Amino acid sequence: EAGVAQSPRYKIIEKRQSVAFWCNPISGHATLYWYQQILGQGPKLLIQFQNNGVVDDSQLPKDRFSAERLKGVDSTLKIQPAKLEDSAVYLCASSLRGDRSYNEQFFGPGTRLTVL
Amino acid sequence: AQSVTQLDSQVPVFEEAPVELRCNYSSSVSVYLFWYVQYPNQGLQLLLKYLSGSTLVKGINGFEAEFNKSQTSFHLRKPSVHISDTAEYFCAVSAVTNAGKSTFGDGTTLTVKP
Repeated sequence: EAGVAQSPRYKIIEKRQSVAFWCNPISGHATLYWYQQILGQGPKLLIQFQNNGVVDDSQLPKDRFSAERLKGVDSTLKIQPAKLEDSAVYLCASSLRGDRSYNEQFFGPGTRLTVL
Repeated sequence: AQSVTQLDSQVPVFEEAPVELRCNYSSSVSVYLFWYVQYPNQGLQLLLKYLSGSTLVKGINGFEAEFNKSQTSFHLRKPSVHISDTAEYFCAVSAVTNAGKSTFGDGTTLTVKP
């Protein structure tokens, strides 16, 4: 079974530029998560989708970050415009079900963003 | 809301020695607890989890952890480490009533020396 795929793996941009990340979850997984992992910290949830609807985006900086999951499969996370403090690894994860019970999350390899 | 404190940012240890990575949590509601491992340039992989039942849980790669409710701790242990265990380890907590939302600690870097 293929795991969670993310691209690109690395991205370097100048501040104020825009960037987009792509995630393809495990086939059949209803729930998709985007996390931000700043160097030296644990992952922080940015947004959670169940199918193509948003479950939780309380920690997403909506003035510059946006995310969508059209058709309830793959997802894109966009930053526009980027700031220096956005330098981080962006992790995508998916889980089988979207209810509030425990479902194991499977993580992709992440996209490392460097903002200069 | 939940919070997690990993008490050691870095733990160096020699190969075949035992190791303990410490994790304390805070929550006003019942929780699930997790340990994840992250190898360089990879995503997180679940090592083990506590959902209910026995407070001693065993995971992959010979790791185990003990849930201590009175001390609000969930320390990770391995009796004999290998070079290949060198990685970043994250403790995480989620509320039982909202298990999809996990709060992570800042991680412990385990370095196993030959």
